[in-house]
Order: sequence, then C-alpha cells, then structure tokens
Amino acid sequence: EAAVTQSPRNKVAVTGGKVTLSCNQTNNHNNMYWYRQDTGHGLRLIHYSYGAGSTEKGDIPDGYKASRPSQENFSLILELATPSQTSVYFCASGHWGEGQNTLYFGAGTRLSVL
Amino acid sequence: EQQVQQSPASLVLQEAENAELQCSFSIFTNQVQWFYQRPGGRLVSLLYNPSGTKQSGRLTSTTVIKERRSSLHISSSQITDSGTYLCAKTSSGQKLVFGQGTILKVYL
Repeated sequence: EAAVTQSPRNKVAVTGGKVTLSCNQTNNHNNMYWYRQDTGHGLRLIHYSYGAGSTEKGDIPDGYKASRPSQENFSLILELATPSQTSVYFCASGHWGEGQNTLYFGAGTRLSVL
Repeated sequence: EQQVQQSPASLVLQEAENAELQCSFSIFTNQVQWFYQRPGGRLVSLLYNPSGTKQSGRLTSTTVIKERRSSLHISSSQITDSGTYLCAKTSSGQKLVFGQGTILKVYL
C-alpha cells in the first residue's frame, strides 16, 4: 500500500512566524505535490517536484517555498505566515508514465495562523 | 476560469438509491480521475478513466472525450458512501487539476 505521511497533523502558528510542513513517502515515486484545500476553492496546487533537488511552482505559489532534499521528503515552508494561509494542506506522491497516472495523498495538516 | 466543473455541488440520497455525479472540462483532456474524500480525511483514488466506461464494484465512470465530460454513477448507495467526490484532470507538467467536488450524504 502506497504510504504518504505528513507532519504535523495540526499546527497553530502566529502571524509572521515561520512554519514548515513535512511530507515523507515510501512509494519511491518521482513526483511529489503540495495542495491546499479551502471551502469554495477545492484543491489548489502550491508547489510540486519531479525528484530530489527539483521544485516547481504550482498555481498559487506566492508566500510559499518548497524543498525536496531527497526522493522521500518534500517540505512546504511558510517564511512569514499570514492568516490567509490558514487551511488544510495535503501532500501527495505520484508516478507519471504510460497508463494510469494517479496520486497518493497524505492525511493532511490543518494549519491555523492567528 | 475553472478548468474542472462538478455538479451537483451536493446531493442527498436515501440508502439504496443511485447517485449520478457529473464533471465537465473547459479544456480537452484525455486523462480523468475520480477521488473520494471522507470528511476530514485524505483523498483516495477511485477510478482512472481516460475514455469510455470503467467499472469498479458499485462505481461506474463514463468519459466522453469529445464532449469534455465525465460522470460517476454510484449504484445502491450506502451510508458509508457519504463524503466528497472529486473529479480531476491531468494538466501539463504531470499535475492534476481538481474540481470543487460533490458532497454526497446518504441517510437511512
């Protein structure tokens, strides 16, 4: 079974503080993704990566940085957290190739920025 | 512009009734997937259906590429089917773009 683990599961941060969300996958997938999910907006892509050392901007990258130090780990960094970044964040891993391309998601991190 | 539109936004059914969920795309796609999310839970892939009809248990998906739409039919709904159903299309750069989902509530 594909496994994607996120930490922490819940986080309360103060405005202006730095927040790091971590994601680990044991699927040996090349691709990893960070999405946020908000009522009325659905899932939106923040950053993604094709492999260790690579990061790409998604649809809403402003205010976020990403880091992919290894095949297994992909972090999302909020250098200066703002209340508008209060959301549920999902990490996913996936393999793209011939046939089915799908994503395996983590359980999510609920972030509140006060 | 929303690339992936889902309807209805919410649906309430009595147990054993059938559900029909719709997804339409503003841009041509040949890779469509359906996901399920329990309240507060992670997304789980249900069906990958690039074209035609695919079935998995009580789930049947039909994708018509030239009409830029896909549907998900849930037969004999159960209370445990309650949750959010999301449709997604593959976008350039090996990404998935999601619709806003259909919230399904099944009651006794």
